[in-house]
Amino acid sequence: DVVLTQSPLSLPVTLGQPASISCRSSQSLVLSDGNTYLMWFHQRPGQSPRRLIYKVSNRDSGVPDRFSGSGSGTDFTLRISRVEAEDVGLYYCMQDRYWPLTFGGGTRVEIK
Amino acid sequence: EVQLVESGGGSVQPGGSLRLSCTASGFSFSDHSMNWVRQSPGKGLEWLSYISESGSNIFYADSLRGRFTISRDNAKNSLYLQMNSLRAEDTALYYCVRDQHNALAGHSFDIWGQGTMVSVSS
Repeated sequence: DVVLTQSPLSLPVTLGQPASISCRSSQSLVLSDGNTYLMWFHQRPGQSPRRLIYKVSNRDSGVPDRFSGSGSGTDFTLRISRVEAEDVGLYYCMQDRYWPLTFGGGTRVEIK
Repeated sequence: EVQLVESGGGSVQPGGSLRLSCTASGFSFSDHSMNWVRQSPGKGLEWLSYISESGSNIFYADSLRGRFTISRDNAKNSLYLQMNSLRAEDTALYYCVRDQHNALAGHSFDIWGQGTMVSVSS
């Protein structure tokens, strides 16, 4: 199975400051069609997860442009340019390149 | 309103069985593949299983080792997860997740239910 390793586990941030989460895959997530299948989800406290990013860097509809995804092959990053209070919660990367699908272990973002 | 509502969770002893259900509304259920994802208390997300629109393609997480079975009834707009030989480590909130896969956007995972809690304990 593909193992996704997220870091850090916990990320205290100051409102208005940037934040960055890393996701490293045990295998390349590039498919023969040239696409790389890595997604990011956000789960607010007490809520179900919501997808933010698909195929590494594509924002879902309604996702603020302060969220961006980047990376290639096995190394990926989710960045928040200026953290807002509503951004707290858990962030997960997920690969949809191989079966079985797998999630990273999660990163908790909290306000300092 | 597009909605997924899970049911069937509860408390069960180790070795027991439960059948989870997920009822869809507000969209054409038969046009979407579906998934089950769980989250153990205070822990991360774990993808469990996928079923295609017609039910012809099914995938499972290796960790389930044949104990769980996913199925669907498009006439009833319903998704199911039959869970057998339950263990303490299966204690979790179980989510039903709508999906639609294409090369443009991969797997959508765009609609999640609120989850149903399963507790396995003696």
